[in-house]
Amino acid sequence: QVQLQESGPGLVQPSETLSLTCAVSGSSITNTYYWGWIRQPPGKGLEWIGTIYHRGTTFYNPSLKSRVTMSVDTSWNSFSLKLASVTAADTAVYFCARSTYYYDKPRGAFDFWGQGTMVTVSS
Amino acid sequence: QSVLPQPPSVSGAPGQRVTISCSGSSSNIGAGYDVNWYQDLPGTAPRLLIYQNYNRPSGVPDRFSGSKSGTSASLAISGLQAEDEADYYCQSYDNSLSGSVVFGGGTKVTVL
Repeated sequence: QVQLQESGPGLVQPSETLSLTCAVSGSSITNTYYWGWIRQPPGKGLEWIGTIYHRGTTFYNPSLKSRVTMSVDTSWNSFSLKLASVTAADTAVYFCARSTYYYDKPRGAFDFWGQGTMVTVSS
Repeated sequence: QSVLPQPPSVSGAPGQRVTISCSGSSSNIGAGYDVNWYQDLPGTAPRLLIYQNYNRPSGVPDRFSGSKSGTSASLAISGLQAEDEADYYCQSYDNSLSGSVVFGGGTKVTVL
């Protein structure tokens, strides 16, 4: 069974960089899938942050692109998210998830999700 | 305002059928991109209910069904049960600007 687990600080200072890691088990991160990050602010809907393929191809939400960096660590079977210059608007539950691979763009469904981790931006 | 508007809420009595719409445009659903649906229960990760417009993953009851036509899609829940009370989101891909995965605004289903 595929399992994903997010980890990282639950509290980040405004203007700092949010850093999260997603550990994957039950599936090699070098398999033919995309790996993504999605967030959900308290009481609000889902927002896609970005998606990465293990060979390094990345796709980012245009509204967040200037602040987002994603990477893959094949030796640890994990992938990571960095979101720079955070504000209170970045307070959310952050999910990592696996999605179906397509050759051209990340247009597939997210079939396995982590349980999510709450990140609060506050001083 | 979401790129994929959904009704904020729908409700039904146990056993009834409810439908949730997901309205798109020529840059997403109308461009031929698949629609996927998720069930979101409080305190849990979203669960994939429907993929590629109408397919159900293993373990999803056949009470859940998806359809797509033109620039919109729908999720139907038949034989509504108390455990179906949750938020539901559609998801697709939008090729405007530089392209983006997009989610609907979400619909709260209440079982009366």
